[in-house]
Amino acid sequence: DAGVIQSPRHEVTEMGQEVTLRCKPISGHNSLFWYRQTMMRGLELLIYFNNNVPIDDSGMPEDRFSAKMPNASFSTLKIQPSEPRDSAVYFCASSFSTTTGNEQFFGPGTRLTVL
Amino acid sequence: AQSVTQLDSHVSVSEGTPVLLRCNYSSSYSPSLFWYVQHPNKGLQLLLKYTSAATLVKGINGFEAEFKKSETSFHLTKPSAHMSDAAEYFCVVSGFSGGYNKLIFGAGTRLAVHP
Repeated sequence: DAGVIQSPRHEVTEMGQEVTLRCKPISGHNSLFWYRQTMMRGLELLIYFNNNVPIDDSGMPEDRFSAKMPNASFSTLKIQPSEPRDSAVYFCASSFSTTTGNEQFFGPGTRLTVL
Repeated sequence: AQSVTQLDSHVSVSEGTPVLLRCNYSSSYSPSLFWYVQHPNKGLQLLLKYTSAATLVKGINGFEAEFKKSETSFHLTKPSAHMSDAAEYFCVVSGFSGGYNKLIFGAGTRLAVHP
């Protein structure tokens, strides 16, 4: 298996622009997570999908952030409009359910820089 | 509520000497615990996990961790450090919150290995 795939790996954009991050989870996994990692705040869970349905979006910072999962093999995280404080590494992770003990498999991340 | 505390933000060792990364957890029930490693500019990779089986857990790359309920600890060790072990290490507890088991990450310990 190729693991969790994220694109792009790096994104540099200007304040106010729309940014779309993409994720392909591991085939057969029914749980998908978006995280944000910064030096100041560490790893933060943004949103959790189960069977393509958003279950917990309490970590989404504000209305500028939105996430979708139109099918089991694809998810997007969109920021519109982007701001410099959104600069971070964004990780997608997937797992086979959230039964305790099931680990999450992480993608390589997208490093976002908003100028 | 579940939480995890990594007692050292930075650890520095010489190549060939033992590694000890300390982690304490808080959980109202028998937890699942994980150690993840993140190499520079990479995603998180699972090193090992504890799920109420053997208290001494062996992971990849010679790492192991011991679950000690009486001390609420899950310290990560390796007998002999290698230069390639230099990375950030995250202790993680699986906690039930919001209707599902989510991973709760420690702040991380950055391991430096000197020749």
